Amino acid sequence: NAGVMQNPRHLVRRRGQEARLRCSPVKGHSHVYWYRQLPEEGLKFMVYLQKENIIDESGMPKERFSAEFPKEGPSILRIQQVVRGDSAAYFCASSLPNTDTQYFGPGTRLTVL
Amino acid sequence: GIQVEQSPPDLILQEGANSTLRCNFSDSVNNLQWFHQNPWGQLINLFYIPSGTKQNGRLSATTVATERYSLLYISSSQTTDSGVYFCAVVPTLIKAAGNKLTFGGGTRVLVKP
Repeated sequence: NAGVMQNPRHLVRRRGQEARLRCSPVKGHSHVYWYRQLPEEGLKFMVYLQKENIIDESGMPKERFSAEFPKEGPSILRIQQVVRGDSAAYFCASSLPNTDTQYFGPGTRLTVL
Repeated sequence: GIQVEQSPPDLILQEGANSTLRCNFSDSVNNLQWFHQNPWGQLINLFYIPSGTKQNGRLSATTVATERYSLLYISSSQTTDSGVYFCAVVPTLIKAAGNKLTFGGGTRVLVKP
């Protein structure tokens, strides 16, 4: 009974490169959330997706960040032209429709050099 | 938006001691979860508790929704309880827009042997 899976667990990028973070939700979960945790801070909501739809992206930076959750395959959080301030842990969570409990993955720790 | 405040910010315990962590929130909620982030950064679900009391082993939680606070009790603490404890909520008013969690700043717990 696999939980939420994220890969890679650690990602190092140089400034200006692209970062792609993947999230496979719990089997049967169709709702995915992305959160970001800056060093020494709590988690902040970024985006909420259902299959093929972005429901709420109010927490996403306006530029360079995008997310998708295709009909098949994992959810992807994409950061273009990374900057040092993007260094953080990025967590994905999933839930069933019409339920409240979110289950979190182990996170991807992005380091921008 | 909703404010979520956790206290104390830091807690040092001797192994075997009991402790209470508090989470105050500024608006009514219909989702409240407690999480433990272990020293390796993984986020572990402890409780889904928008109201009432629940117990799981040495941990228990109580949420008094009408007074807008939740308490997490740790009894007979062990060194493996070390880490950061987060409270996260979904305000009732935004429920229709999805379940994005707003996290408190966390309580950092260190249990000494």
